[in-house]
Amino acid sequence: EAGVAQSPRYKIIEKRQSVAFWCNPISGHATLYWYQQILGQGPKLLIQFQNNGVVDDSQLPKDRFSAERLKGVDSTLKIQPAKLEDSAVYLCASSPRDSEDTQYFGPGTRLTVL
Amino acid sequence: AQSVTQLGSHVSVSEGALVLLRCNYSSSVPPYLFWYVQYPNQGLQLLLKYTTGATLVKGINGFEAEFKKSETSFHLTKPSAHMSDAAEYFCAVINTGGFKTIFGAGTRLFVKA
Repeated sequence: EAGVAQSPRYKIIEKRQSVAFWCNPISGHATLYWYQQILGQGPKLLIQFQNNGVVDDSQLPKDRFSAERLKGVDSTLKIQPAKLEDSAVYLCASSPRDSEDTQYFGPGTRLTVL
Repeated sequence: AQSVTQLGSHVSVSEGALVLLRCNYSSSVPPYLFWYVQYPNQGLQLLLKYTTGATLVKGINGFEAEFKKSETSFHLTKPSAHMSDAAEYFCAVINTGGFKTIFGAGTRLFVKA
């Protein structure tokens, strides 16, 4: 069974630029998560989708971050414009039904904002 | 509101020694509790989880954790550390029937030869 795929693995941009990350969850998984992991901290949930719908986006900075999950499968997370404090690893995860299930994580995208 | 506190950002043990990583949580309702491990440049991987039932949970790689409601704790243990256990470990909690997973700040485990 293929795991959660993410791309790119690394991205370096300058502040005020835009960036997008892509995630393909495990086939058949209903729930998809985007987390932000700042160096030295635990992952922080940015947004959670169940199928096409948003379950929780309370910690998503909506003035600059957006995310979509088209057709309930893969997802993109966009930052526009980026700030220095957005430097972090962005983790995508999926679970078969909901957050009470085990979450399966992708390798992450390491973003550096200069 | 839920929260997770992991005591000790770094723990160092000798190979063969007991591993004890501490996790305390706060939750207004019975929680689901998780331990995840993260190896360098990789995503998180589930070690074990507690949902209901037996409070002593066994996971992969010889790890186990015990849910103690009276102490609001879910400490992770392994009787004998291996070099391959060196990684970062995260405790996480969600409320039953809830949605958002809250992670602790993580504990980095070092294993000395």
